[in-house]
Amino acid sequence: AQSVTQLDSHVSVSEGTPVLLRCNYSSSYSPSLFWYVQHPNKGLQLLLKYTSAATLVKGINGFEAEFKKSETSFHLTKPSAHMSDAAEYFCVVSGVYNFNKFYFGSGTKLNVKP
Amino acid sequence: NAGVTQTPKFQVLKTGQSMTLQCAQDMNHNSMYWYRQDPGMGLRLIYYSASEGTTDKGEVPNGYNVSRLNKREFSLRLESAAPSQTSVYFCASSSRDRGAGYEQYFGPGTRLTVT
Repeated sequence: AQSVTQLDSHVSVSEGTPVLLRCNYSSSYSPSLFWYVQHPNKGLQLLLKYTSAATLVKGINGFEAEFKKSETSFHLTKPSAHMSDAAEYFCVVSGVYNFNKFYFGSGTKLNVKP
Repeated sequence: NAGVTQTPKFQVLKTGQSMTLQCAQDMNHNSMYWYRQDPGMGLRLIYYSASEGTTDKGEVPNGYNVSRLNKREFSLRLESAAPSQTSVYFCASSSRDRGAGYEQYFGPGTRLTVT
């Protein structure tokens, strides 16, 4: 079975400092992994995706994530936080045998302090 | 290209009333999904449709029915609404081309309150 664990429900950083949002997944095979962002009262927007190509994936708005198979992790990072990054972030893994099914983490709310 | 659209955006129902949430996509995607989002629980899959004419239960299907009307449209019906169904409902779609990166595209959501 596939599953995703987001290790922090809330993260707070100061504007201009690095962001690290942690995600671990469970899968018997190399999965596809995604990070989505949800701003308040909005839908979900894709930040980046890993689909077995390069392990370091660059996304929109300066975010990137590294797929580490040995650690079963797919952490999201950004060198310098901006106020507009304040949102909820979801890590998602796709089903290996049924790649039409997606499994969501419980989300990490990022707060950015001025 | 509107992507994924949902109607209505907001709805208030009384316990026992019925309603249908509508979803349409214009990206020619095969797969469509209905999720509900509750605080602290992420998104939970209600039903999905891998292709036109097929539907499958997700994690929380009880109290809901779905119809894949055609390739574009996927509706979610609450036959007898309950307060536990108060939530934000998202529709999503994706292609089935794994090589292309089959990410999901989400609609703006429907905020449903059942009193």
